[in-house]
Amino acid sequence: DGGITQSPKYLFRKEGQNVTLSCEQNLNHDAMYWYRQDPGQGLRLIYYSQIVNDFQKGDIAEGYSVSREKKESFPLTVTSAQKNPTAFYLCASSRLLSATNTGELFFGEGSRLTVL
Amino acid sequence: DAKTTQPNSMESNEEEPVHLPCNHSTISGTDYIHWYRQLPSQGPEYVIHGLTSNVNNRMASLAIAEDRKSSTLILHRATLRDAAVYYCIQGQGGKLIFGQGTELSVKP
Repeated sequence: DGGITQSPKYLFRKEGQNVTLSCEQNLNHDAMYWYRQDPGQGLRLIYYSQIVNDFQKGDIAEGYSVSREKKESFPLTVTSAQKNPTAFYLCASSRLLSATNTGELFFGEGSRLTVL
Repeated sequence: DAKTTQPNSMESNEEEPVHLPCNHSTISGTDYIHWYRQLPSQGPEYVIHGLTSNVNNRMASLAIAEDRKSSTLILHRATLRDAAVYYCIQGQGGKLIFGQGTELSVKP
C-alpha cells in the first residue's frame, strides 16, 4: 500500500543525546516536511524539502538537522542543541502541482519523543 | 512569514451549516489558501485548497474574498464527526505554516 511511514512511534532519550527520526514515503512525492506539535498547540514547521539534495528551514529549525539523499526518505535528527525536544513529530509529503501550488499533504502517524 | 488569523473556537449544531472564517491579509498573488483539519489523537487531514475562485469538493466549499485577504470554509451540514481543529494555511510555494486553528464543536 502507498503511504508515509514514520519510525519509531515512541522514543525515549537522555539529555545530551542526538536522535534520528525516520520518514519514508512510497507515494513518489517530490516534497517532504517535518512538523512539531506540542500538547494543545498547532503544528510548527521545522524543515521542508521540495527536491532531492535540497531543503529549507521552517520556523523552528534550530537544534534540528535533516537530509534528503533519496526522494523517498527525509530523516530528522534532533540534536542535543534542541533545548526542549520532548514533543510529537509529524512527517508529511506532497506532490508539487506547480512552483507555487502544493498538493494535498499526506501525514505519517507521528513519532513521540520524550527526553528523560 | 505568512500568518493567518482564525477564531480560537466555534460551536455548531448538528446538521446545520458551519462557516469558519480566516484572515490572511499578507497574502501575495501566488499564495494558495489551504484548509486542514485534525481530529483528536490523529494527524491532520486535507480538506480543500484554492487560489482565487471558490472551490467545492465532497467535504466542503471554500469561498475566497475578491481581494483574497480572507476566506471562509463552509461545511454544508455539520455532523458530530466534523468536530475537530480546523487550520487555515497561507501556502507560500512549498512552505505551509499551520496556525493555532479553530476548534469546532458540534452539538447534537
